[in-house]
Amino acid sequence: KQEVTQIPAALSVPEGENLVLNCSFTDSAIYNLQWFRQDPGKGLTSLLLIQSSQREQTSGRLNASLDKSSGRSTLYIAASQPGDSATYLCAVHSFSNTGNQFYFGTGTSLTVIP
Amino acid sequence: SAVISQKPSRDICQRGTSLTIQCQVDSQVTMMFWYRQQPGQSLTLIATANQGSEATYESGFVIDKFPISRPNLTFSTLTVSNMSPEDSSIYLCSATRGAEAFFGQGTRLTVV
Repeated sequence: KQEVTQIPAALSVPEGENLVLNCSFTDSAIYNLQWFRQDPGKGLTSLLLIQSSQREQTSGRLNASLDKSSGRSTLYIAASQPGDSATYLCAVHSFSNTGNQFYFGTGTSLTVIP
Repeated sequence: SAVISQKPSRDICQRGTSLTIQCQVDSQVTMMFWYRQQPGQSLTLIATANQGSEATYESGFVIDKFPISRPNLTFSTLTVSNMSPEDSSIYLCSATRGAEAFFGQGTRLTVV
């Protein structure tokens, strides 16, 4: 069964700093990997989707990389802002006994201090 | 992207009662899922909602407790039955189009 781990669990940085969030997974046979943002008590907002054949994706100040062979992905946030404060979740789209499934990490809670 | 409308957004319910959560997607999607997110934890898949047939439940979840319907490609409901305080969670509807997943805004359920 796919297991997804995110490090660190929580991160607090001053505004303007660049930061990296880490995601690791145990089974490299994946369809894709997706990064989400979740504000407190809310649903998930998709940030970036990386297909298994891709190495990275960029959107604005966000850059996500994927190294499938080592089971790792990183989310890089440039010039962080207080509005970036949220929980960031990594989800791996992978095989399961019941079909295709998304496996979620436990998230990194980010606080950007003004 | 797909827009997913989920309602209610929140509810406070008495133990022993049932709540039905609705999920409407703005266009046809490949698959629909229901997740539970308990306080401070990540998402746990409850079941895959199959169109016109019984949902596929994950280990630890049963149809009697969480009946699911999906009468067409864009609509699904999840019922939380005979609720107890342990059912207090955020319930999330998700849909996939191709390889990408989209989520509703969630239903925050509190059982008292």
